[in-house]
Amino acid sequence: AQSVTQLDSQVPVFEEAPVELRCNYSSSVSVYLFWYVQYPNQGLQLLLKYLSGSTLVKGINGFEAEFNKSQTSFHLRKPSVHISDTAEYFCAVNEPRGAGNMLTFGGGTRLMVKP
Amino acid sequence: EAGVTQFPSHSVIEKGQTVTLRCDPISGHDNLYWYRRVMGKEIKFLLHFVKESKQDESGMPNNRFLAERTGGTYSTLKVQPAELEDSGVYFCASSQGTGSYNEQFFGPGTRLTVL
Repeated sequence: AQSVTQLDSQVPVFEEAPVELRCNYSSSVSVYLFWYVQYPNQGLQLLLKYLSGSTLVKGINGFEAEFNKSQTSFHLRKPSVHISDTAEYFCAVNEPRGAGNMLTFGGGTRLMVKP
Repeated sequence: EAGVTQFPSHSVIEKGQTVTLRCDPISGHDNLYWYRRVMGKEIKFLLHFVKESKQDESGMPNNRFLAERTGGTYSTLKVQPAELEDSGVYFCASSQGTGSYNEQFFGPGTRLTVL
């Protein structure tokens, strides 16, 4: 079975500072990796995904993540955060199941950007 | 194009009562998923439909939960009778087609509180 660990439940950071949200996964097979964001009172929105190819993946809103197979990590980074980035962020892996794909999520990291 | 919608957005019921959650996927999406996030825990997979057929219901917690997708369009998730531990946010997602990866689009969730 696959599992995802997000090491920080909350990350406070000042506006315009860089941020890294950590994600580690365990899987015995090749994985697809994702970061989702949930803004208050909204659904989960896909930030970025790694399927194959370049290990550095760029997403929306200036976020990027790096897939590191040897360390089984997929950390999310942004060089300069804005107040509007305050949200909860979820790392997930995809597990093909028959005709579909089940997502396994980490526990989430609440990013709190302070002025 | 309308996204995934869920109704109601909030539901507060007493232990022992019945609640039905509804999900309308994106038009044309054959795959429909239900997930749940219990307070403070990870988002967990419940089940997967392809059109009207249940493909995988390995995540359903017990037989108090019944999901249907009549006609392969919207889906309902009924909890009967509800217990305190059923409180949480129930997410629905849909995706198009099958294969190794198809992006899942999430709805805003239904927050269920069982008193």
